[in-house]
Amino acid sequence: GQQLNQSPQSMFIQEGEDVSMNCTSSSIFNTWLWYKQDPGEGPVLLIALYKAGELTSNGRLTAQFGITRKDSFLNISASIPSDVGIYFCAGSGVDSSYKLIFGSGTRLLVRP
Amino acid sequence: SAVISQKPSRDICQRGTSLTIQCQVDSQVTMMFWYRQQPGQSLTLIATANQGSEATYESGFVIDKFPISRPNLTFSTLTVSNMSPEDSSIYLCSVEDRGGRVSEQYFGPGTRLTVT
Repeated sequence: GQQLNQSPQSMFIQEGEDVSMNCTSSSIFNTWLWYKQDPGEGPVLLIALYKAGELTSNGRLTAQFGITRKDSFLNISASIPSDVGIYFCAGSGVDSSYKLIFGSGTRLLVRP
Repeated sequence: SAVISQKPSRDICQRGTSLTIQCQVDSQVTMMFWYRQQPGQSLTLIATANQGSEATYESGFVIDKFPISRPNLTFSTLTVSNMSPEDSSIYLCSVEDRGGRVSEQYFGPGTRLTVT
């Protein structure tokens, strides 16, 4: 079945630094979504991408849908302590518009 | 987006027993989903809860173990049956928001289950 490879697995950065994480797949996806999960909470949708090449921003967050439709990245600029959490990419493939495949997650820790 | 609540938020259960988890949405939604998140892991889709018909299960999940009800467009339940310690996970429901696109799913806060 379809799988997503997400990297890095974890990051420990200084407050104010920029962060970049990405997801890749061996197959094509129609949609890429980025979620953040805080401890004890459900994932919260940050950004949704629908077209190859699309670049979308949400505050300090920027995400892109790769041209090949097999990858996506998420950047966080000027990180702050509340950015701490686990970030998941998720994609829906050509065979199903609603079935989401999740990446393994990137755990972000921010040093004040 | 829709506001989603789950009950219970957490529970500790003995092996061999069953637990029913409720998911309530504040608006009518067409599609509701149930996910499992094992400790330190990502999310895996268990099934799609279909209103008025049997749920659609993903590979590796069966109705006898995870029976699902969807009596209306705002409510669903997931039962974890005959539990074992391997069932210790966070169980999450999600919905497709009618104001958004089908693949934009919004999640409830989750139910943290520990089986002893």
